[in-house]
Amino acid sequence: NAGVTQTPKFQVLKTGQSMTLQCAQDMNHNSMYWYRQDPGMGLRLIYYSASEGTTDKGEVPNGYNVSRLNKREFSLRLESAAPSQTSVYFCASSITSGTGNAYEQYFGPGTRLTVT
Amino acid sequence: DQQVKQNSPSLSVQEGRISILNCDYTNSMFDYFLWYKKYPAEGPTFLISISSIKDKNEDGRFTVFLNKSAKHLSLHIVPSQPGDSAVYFCAASAREYNFNKFYFGSGTKLNVKP
Repeated sequence: NAGVTQTPKFQVLKTGQSMTLQCAQDMNHNSMYWYRQDPGMGLRLIYYSASEGTTDKGEVPNGYNVSRLNKREFSLRLESAAPSQTSVYFCASSITSGTGNAYEQYFGPGTRLTVT
Repeated sequence: DQQVKQNSPSLSVQEGRISILNCDYTNSMFDYFLWYKKYPAEGPTFLISISSIKDKNEDGRFTVFLNKSAKHLSLHIVPSQPGDSAVYFCAASAREYNFNKFYFGSGTKLNVKP
């Protein structure tokens, strides 16, 4: 039982390049999330997927797209990377009840992204 | 504008003493509160939570207190141990469009000195 896994762990991009961050969970959770962590800002929600087949914007979605490939996998894509996207990215998952109540989240180890 | 604030970026405590980490929030619709612990180069891990209908929840050395009138949350660690040295995030959730979304504070770095 690996929990939440993320690839890659580190990445350096040039401005304008694109890349996809991968996330998978093996806990049969129905909800998944992407956060970014910046110094002094805590974790900010980029996108989330309440259940398989749905995705919604969080606090800071500009410059990102997501795909909920199946129940296990939720990817984050940067189409044209900018230096402002230099950050640590965390994927998380949680159980959500039928009425939409989400409980504690389980986080992956993070991807440290630098855009030059 | 951050809805969840941790105003102390760092805290240093002697081993065996109490650590008190504080968190303030602005949104009165928050109904569930959590604390996460984060070690360097790892993702946050869930520590303890509390529903808005309670004012205290205890789990071993960790106790979370909620003061709804003051919109204030605190985490007490007693006794503190060197292994507790980490960054602690508080988080709060509110229902938006039929789904609970989570908002995080900026974290407090706890250093427990042996």
